[in-house]
Amino acid sequence: DAGVTQSPTHLIKTRGQHVTLRCSPISGHKSVSWYQQVLGQGPQFIFQYYEKEERGRGNFPDRFSARQFPNYSSELNVNALLLGDSALYLCASSSSTSGFYNEQFFGPGTRLTVL
Amino acid sequence: GEDVEQSLFLSVREGDSSVINCTYTDSSSTYLYWYKQEPGAGLQLLTYIFSNMDMKQDQRLTVLLNKKDKHLSLRIADTQTGDSAIYFCAELSSNTGKLIFGQGTTLQVKP
Repeated sequence: DAGVTQSPTHLIKTRGQHVTLRCSPISGHKSVSWYQQVLGQGPQFIFQYYEKEERGRGNFPDRFSARQFPNYSSELNVNALLLGDSALYLCASSSSTSGFYNEQFFGPGTRLTVL
Repeated sequence: GEDVEQSLFLSVREGDSSVINCTYTDSSSTYLYWYKQEPGAGLQLLTYIFSNMDMKQDQRLTVLLNKKDKHLSLRIADTQTGDSAIYFCAELSSNTGKLIFGQGTTLQVKP
């Protein structure tokens, strides 16, 4: 079975541009979470979606948005890119949302560089 | 608030034991995790512990949880050069389902 897949693997953008990152969860998983990992730091929670609805949002500006599709894949959109948005963006899928053990399986990430 | 702290760096000799420590603040956390990240790669779940457990052993890995002090540790027995990586401690927020990560501990294993 395929694990969590993300595309693209690497991306270079310039300041002010817009970017869309994509994630496909493990088959049967209905929850997708997005994390930002800046170099030298731990991942920071951005969004969680479950059954196409936003279930959680981290402390990120409105330039960050996401959505989940009927097939449970997800997109993360970032507008008006800043240099500080350069990071590894990780997607994780799980079978449920909160309160109980639900192992989150991480994809390999998309490395975004903003010049 | 929610916060997870780890020491930044640990160096050991091959064959020795490694102990990576972590402290957290959210007393309502249900699960605590250890993830491994190798250079240029995503996160690999190593092990987890439920908050009502004190210890969990899985082959070379031993997790100890002191809930009173909100302290978590990961012991790797017989550390190998392939264990060199960054290790992240994370707590699962029972309210939001999000993982809160520490800043990671870089483990260097010298031959």
